[in-house]
Amino acid sequence: QVQLQESGPGLVKPSQTLSLTCTVSGGSISSGGYYWSWVRQHPGKGLEWIGYIYNSGFAYYNPSLKSRVTISGDTSKNQFSLKLRSVTAADTAVYYCARDSVGQWEVPFDYWGQGTLVTVSS
Amino acid sequence: DIQMTQSPSSLSASVGDRVTITCRASQGISNYLAWFQQRPGKAPKSLIYAASSLQSGVPPKFSGSGSGTDFTLTISSLQPEDFATYFCQQYNTFPRTFGQGTKVEIK
Repeated sequence: QVQLQESGPGLVKPSQTLSLTCTVSGGSISSGGYYWSWVRQHPGKGLEWIGYIYNSGFAYYNPSLKSRVTISGDTSKNQFSLKLRSVTAADTAVYYCARDSVGQWEVPFDYWGQGTLVTVSS
Repeated sequence: DIQMTQSPSSLSASVGDRVTITCRASQGISNYLAWFQQRPGKAPKSLIYAASSLQSGVPPKFSGSGSGTDFTLTISSLQPEDFATYFCQQYNTFPRTFGQGTKVEIK
């Protein structure tokens, strides 16, 4: 059973960098076959895909956030991380890490973390 | 980006009712369409993928159909645990995009 767990500060000041880590158990982020992804949900709103890391090295981002986002992986800890720079109040959201599938015949987003609320405020 | 539009945004139904939610893609996505259920304060849960394939462990009261641009999720015989918000999502291309959600409430 794959499990994902987000961790990181719940409060970030405007203009600073939001940093979150997702720890994966029951599966390896370096095994291939999956996009290890970040998704966010603004309060009371829909879901926004942020990006993924694949095979611990290749990352791809939503063009709407690309200039501010970095997703990286640490295979020794089986973790992947999100950094979002120059945050504003509009980045206040619940951030989820999730597993997406490379093969389109597979199940997309079959495992999710429980989510972590990050508030941007001074 | 492919825009996903769900309707209705919300609906009220009674226990035992059959409900249908629709999702329309702004361009063809073949059958690369997934449905998720989200209860308050919880992460989304995968229900259906490939437009009509039931995720493991999901009861068959959930069913999906469609291809191309128009899709539906049907829940037969609503139970109390089914009152939640439902999202569609396309995985034909990147960026992955989601519908805005349909909240199913108790009448």
